[in-house]
Amino acid sequence: GENVEQHPSTLSVQEGDSAVIKCTYSDSASNYFPWYKQELGKGPQLIIDIRSNVGEKKDQRIAVTLNKTAKHFSLHITETQPEDSAVYFCAPGGGSTLGRLYFGRGTQLTVWP
Amino acid sequence: DTEVTQTPKHLVMGMTNKKSLKCEQHMGHRAMYWYKQKAKKPPELMFVYSYEKLSINESVPSRFSPECPNSSLLNLHLHALQPEDSALYLCASSQGDRDHTGELFFGEGSRLTVL
Repeated sequence: GENVEQHPSTLSVQEGDSAVIKCTYSDSASNYFPWYKQELGKGPQLIIDIRSNVGEKKDQRIAVTLNKTAKHFSLHITETQPEDSAVYFCAPGGGSTLGRLYFGRGTQLTVWP
Repeated sequence: DTEVTQTPKHLVMGMTNKKSLKCEQHMGHRAMYWYKQKAKKPPELMFVYSYEKLSINESVPSRFSPECPNSSLLNLHLHALQPEDSALYLCASSQGDRDHTGELFFGEGSRLTVL
């Protein structure tokens, strides 16, 4: 199955700073690369995703970049705000593990005011 | 309506009890999922239903029994659980693309405690 590694496991930043979380995967056939945000007491929610025919995608303060050759993709959050504090998961899929989304271990992001 | 509704939100049961978790979506999604999440861990896939048929069982013990009565409903029947089964059980749905990529819509989960 897919081996997913996510770093860092915790990240503390000052409000207004940028945050970057990296996800590496093992299945070279993976073609779908989402990031989920999970707030306390809630289920995960998709915040951005990218497919393998695109190298970068932006949505306001959030961006995802993909390096298929190196098998990693990253979440970039600029101008962080306290409400960005949550656990973020990557979950690459669509490869040989059809239907099975393997979540990374998660990154606890804390944004200090 | 982009909601996945799970009931109950909290459940406490003894090891000899039989209970069920319920999940409902009205987005016309054709794939539905059960995930288990322990504290400070990522969600772990348990079952996938595609077009109301069980397509993936991640070697889950038989004390967990999924059921998909129709395309909007997903149940998880629980029987003879162990204390280590205590966790947050998340239901999700997706449009059901052929390669199962695409957004998963999660419910808020049912927090299960087994005494």
